[in-house]
Amino acid sequence: DQQVKQNSPSLSVQEGRISILNCDYTNSMFDYFLWYKKYPAEGPTFLISISSIKDKNEDGRFTVFLNKSAKHLSLHIVPSQPGDSAVYFCAANTGNQFYFGTGTSLTVIP
Amino acid sequence: SAVISQKPSRDICQRGTSLTIQCQVDSQVTMMFWYRQQPGQSLTLIATANQGSEATYESGFVIDKFPISRPNLTFSTLTVSNMSPEDSSIYLCSVAPDPRGQGYEQYFGPGTRLTVT
Repeated sequence: DQQVKQNSPSLSVQEGRISILNCDYTNSMFDYFLWYKKYPAEGPTFLISISSIKDKNEDGRFTVFLNKSAKHLSLHIVPSQPGDSAVYFCAANTGNQFYFGTGTSLTVIP
Repeated sequence: SAVISQKPSRDICQRGTSLTIQCQVDSQVTMMFWYRQQPGQSLTLIATANQGSEATYESGFVIDKFPISRPNLTFSTLTVSNMSPEDSSIYLCSVAPDPRGQGYEQYFGPGTRLTVT
């Protein structure tokens, strides 16, 4: 039972353009959402998070949007840079439980 | 955040043997987790290892197969016992240094890539 889903396994974007990564979830009890970035041969790195009481959180080039009614969150990266090429995982948290999506591989083309 | 190291970074093991993975954190943390990431799949939580208590295993994972030690607030080990090729995976430890009332971040180690032949 996949409670957090990333339906796009891969995404390619031109450098300088916006990257939009999407994530859907099924459990309305989740109260915290996170995005992680993972380079090959490294562990996931925490990127940005959002509480369920908010609908937007921004940190530099990264913005996470939360639509609770649609049970959907997205990560916007603008402008995209070649160094952003990585696998991005979304995650949802309630209590001590974390649920991760399967990841979206982002390629930023110079 | 926290700086986390894991040993070994990778290993190739024969079936039927066991491997112990070490996780070291640069600060004292209460909550530590062990995950597995199989090829093309998401991160799957194996167990939560809090110091001073027995590890709590998720459905599908048992202590006999994945014994865990947590002797202090900066260190933990995960053993993969009696390995089979299906255990080939990346094993990750993570910590949650700042649990908050409404959600918190986890920070991950670099992972241990295990191949069982």
